[in-house]
Amino acid sequence: DAGITQSPRHKVTETGTPVTLRCHQTENHRYMYWYRQDPGHGLRLIHYSYGVKDTDKGEVSDGYSVSRSKTEDFLLTLESATSSQTSVYFCAISEGFSYNEQFFGPGTRLTVL
Amino acid sequence: SQQGEEDPQALSIQEGENATMNCSYKTSINNLQWYRQNSGRGLVHLILIRSNEREKHSGRLRVTLDTSKKSSSLLITASRAADTASYFCATDTGSSNTGKLIFGQGTTLQVKP
Repeated sequence: DAGITQSPRHKVTETGTPVTLRCHQTENHRYMYWYRQDPGHGLRLIHYSYGVKDTDKGEVSDGYSVSRSKTEDFLLTLESATSSQTSVYFCAISEGFSYNEQFFGPGTRLTVL
Repeated sequence: SQQGEEDPQALSIQEGENATMNCSYKTSINNLQWYRQNSGRGLVHLILIRSNEREKHSGRLRVTLDTSKKSSSLLITASRAADTASYFCATDTGSSNTGKLIFGQGTTLQVKP
């Protein structure tokens, strides 16, 4: 498996609380991505990063922010969690240019009550 | 809406049979990739086919691409119980050099022993 870890792996929180998910890689890949996976929607891109301090929005970025202060870490923050953000969150990495595959982390299951 | 749409949504076959999954997409692509996801795990890259390629093989996997029809198919020959998983196609539109992918909703394959 590619060296990608996500923490926590499971989290239950209440509506309105802030939540931060962490993705850590040991591959020194430039690009990192956050996806959410929901039944009937497949994987949808939330935010991605193309370098330290360089991030951009994906398809479903509302309600989420990200930060990347080091190559190896990409943080996803839900400023004020809502029940609609209950999902499984995956981090992925890639070397970023075309014809490159993405390597996925094990996922974080987040439940917002 | 999703760029890639898989068909069928679910497929159940006997061990030893072949499994075929289809993916249709809407815009021009740079490449198309197939991923597998075992239950509760992250996605794993299977195969990539470039827009100028028509067919590609990898072990028991065969992928075809028809850019005129904007469609791709994944064939798994001589299936095994271990092939039970969800399979996703993902397209790289190449609109920016970020390696961003758009995933379909997936086909769930069950291989019965």
